[in-house]
Amino acid sequence: QSVLTQPPSASGTPGQRVTISCSGSSSNIGSNTVNWYQQLPGTAPKLLIYSNNQRPSGVPDRFSGSKSGTSASLAISGLQSEDEADYYCAAWDDSLNGHYVFGTGTKVTVL
Amino acid sequence: EVQLVESGGGLVQPGGSLRLSCAASGFTFSSYWMSWVRQAPGKGLEWVANIKQDGSEKYYVDSVKGRFTISRDNAKNSLYLQMNSLRAEDTAVYYCANEWELAHDYWGQGTLVTVSS
Repeated sequence: QSVLTQPPSASGTPGQRVTISCSGSSSNIGSNTVNWYQQLPGTAPKLLIYSNNQRPSGVPDRFSGSKSGTSASLAISGLQSEDEADYYCAAWDDSLNGHYVFGTGTKVTVL
Repeated sequence: EVQLVESGGGLVQPGGSLRLSCAASGFTFSSYWMSWVRQAPGKGLEWVANIKQDGSEKYYVDSVKGRFTISRDNAKNSLYLQMNSLRAEDTAVYYCANEWELAHDYWGQGTLVTVSS
């Protein structure tokens, strides 16, 4: 059972900006940094954002992350067809003795 | 090039055992915490377990505690997951991943474990 809550779906037309929310609690997002992963259909997850707002090498700057209190969000600007994927937030949880928790996942559809 | 290659998945009956392996290359395996993450068919991601660089610390999600054991062999650049007393709800694709900057940087392609009679 995921402790980080995301909307099940989000959509936009090419070029639009899409935002995905991630709601947690004081023991996870409130105390630790947030990461975001992108999972294209049939493939392994890929790290998209780490430490709330940092992009690994090779990730386009169309992807940005932010965090405030016990919530975080991922924004995709200039939406492209290849962005159609599942997106997961994640964070370490201090109340679960070193456990890592993922969000429920959001399916982004490019209309 | 960093590579993580899982193996050992397959079909197993409820109550059975399976040992997953993850062969790492392209980075200094012994310098990183390593994790197993699973994904049930059509479902989201679930962190399963992780292990410190020298194997001295291990953590598990509650649902597998006492049944699964994570281990590593730094000399062989390999990560393992021994899974005992398997249940239908353990059916999933199992990924190994390294931990970097408190995130999971590189992932393997996954290995499918199916628990069914």
